Amino acid sequence: KAGVTQTPRYLIKTRGQQVTLSCSPISGHRSVSWYQQTPGQGLQFLFEYFSETQRNKGNFPGRFSGRQFSNSRSEMNVSTLELGDSALYLCASSFGLPNEQYFGPGTRLTVT
Amino acid sequence: GQQVMQIPQYQHVQEGEDFTTYCNSSTTLSNIQWYKQRPGGHPVFLIQLVKSGEVKKQKRLTFQFGEAKKNSSLHITATQTTDVGTYFCAGPMNTGFQKLVFGTGTRLLVSP
Repeated sequence: KAGVTQTPRYLIKTRGQQVTLSCSPISGHRSVSWYQQTPGQGLQFLFEYFSETQRNKGNFPGRFSGRQFSNSRSEMNVSTLELGDSALYLCASSFGLPNEQYFGPGTRLTVT
Repeated sequence: GQQVMQIPQYQHVQEGEDFTTYCNSSTTLSNIQWYKQRPGGHPVFLIQLVKSGEVKKQKRLTFQFGEAKKNSSLHITATQTTDVGTYFCAGPMNTGFQKLVFGTGTRLLVSP
């Protein structure tokens, strides 16, 4: 069974730009969660989607948004990038929280 | 807000020594999950505990869920260099199961 895939794996953007990250969950998983990981803040929950609906959202500004498609693939978007948005963005799929999650390799975003 | 703390933040052991990380939640958890993240990698699900006082073993790893369901521990017997990584506990938010709160993590370094 193929694992969770994320694209792109690495990204360098300039402050003020926007970025879209993509996540393809494990086949059969309808839940996709997104996390931001930084050395200082650890793993922070961004949001969770289940069957195209956002069920919960973390404490992040509105510049962070996401969506899920009918095939369960998900995208997250960050607009007006700030230096502090530099992080590893991880998506995880599951049959639905609070079940165990399967993480993708992440997208390393660097904002300059 | 709900917090999940882990201690220690970092531990360096010699191969063959035992290791324990402790996870403490500010609120009661419906379940506790443990993940391992190797350097440069992504979190990988290890186990989920649900019942009060539950103890589960995976080879040299022993996981416990406290009686009050507010704390948990992971004990590794006779560490090996392959145990190197950061260990995270995680629990669902009590105000909405569709949100997982990760602990601060314990980074383990094992010297041969």
